[in-house]
Amino acid sequence: QQQVKQSPQSLIVQKGGISIINCAYENTAFDYFPWYQQFPGKGPALLIAIRPDVSEKKEGRFTISFNKSAKQFSLHIMDSQPGDSATYFCAARGGRDDKIIFGKGTRLHILP
Amino acid sequence: DTAVSQTPKYLVTQMGNDKSIKCEQNLGHDTMYWYKQDSKKFLKIMFSYNNKELIINETVPNRFSPKSPDKAHLNLHINSLELGDSAVYFCASRKRTGTGTSYEQYFGPGTRLTVT
Repeated sequence: QQQVKQSPQSLIVQKGGISIINCAYENTAFDYFPWYQQFPGKGPALLIAIRPDVSEKKEGRFTISFNKSAKQFSLHIMDSQPGDSATYFCAARGGRDDKIIFGKGTRLHILP
Repeated sequence: DTAVSQTPKYLVTQMGNDKSIKCEQNLGHDTMYWYKQDSKKFLKIMFSYNNKELIINETVPNRFSPKSPDKAHLNLHINSLELGDSAVYFCASRKRTGTGTSYEQYFGPGTRLTVT
């Protein structure tokens, strides 16, 4: 129940294309769903986050779509750029404690 | 200017040794975390401290002992290092109570530990 399942494991997209990463969760007590971006040799950094009472959140080229009934959420990167090449983690927080549970990550590569 | 800093950035040591990793945050946060990222990039929480009090202690060998001398510091001491301890260790922090509370965690740059 504490898992967050993320797919795909890796993704290659042409410059200008749309990158889509999907996540699914089990625990209905989760109340915060962030996406973190990690560049090689750096720590993860918050990219965008959503609460379960909202179905979509957009910040610039990044959009989270959230489907509470299906217990799924996804990250869409519009007009993908080579500088977006990084590892992306979906995550979920909630329940009894303060833990954030991370998905296993998606390595995104944008072709120039 | 660095929000969450860790030292050292790289640590190479032999099996059986004892080592420490230090973490400091200057964000005024009250909660700090240690995460382990393995070779497959999987991020897993190890510990969390709120105002110097341990609030999360995952299933981590007791060779790992966190210490929080104050709200701005959370150090990780590892005894009798094993090959399987090789990983990148990240410190993170957030504001859990009071004004400016947020779920957002700010991560440090990581410490790459290699045990030979």
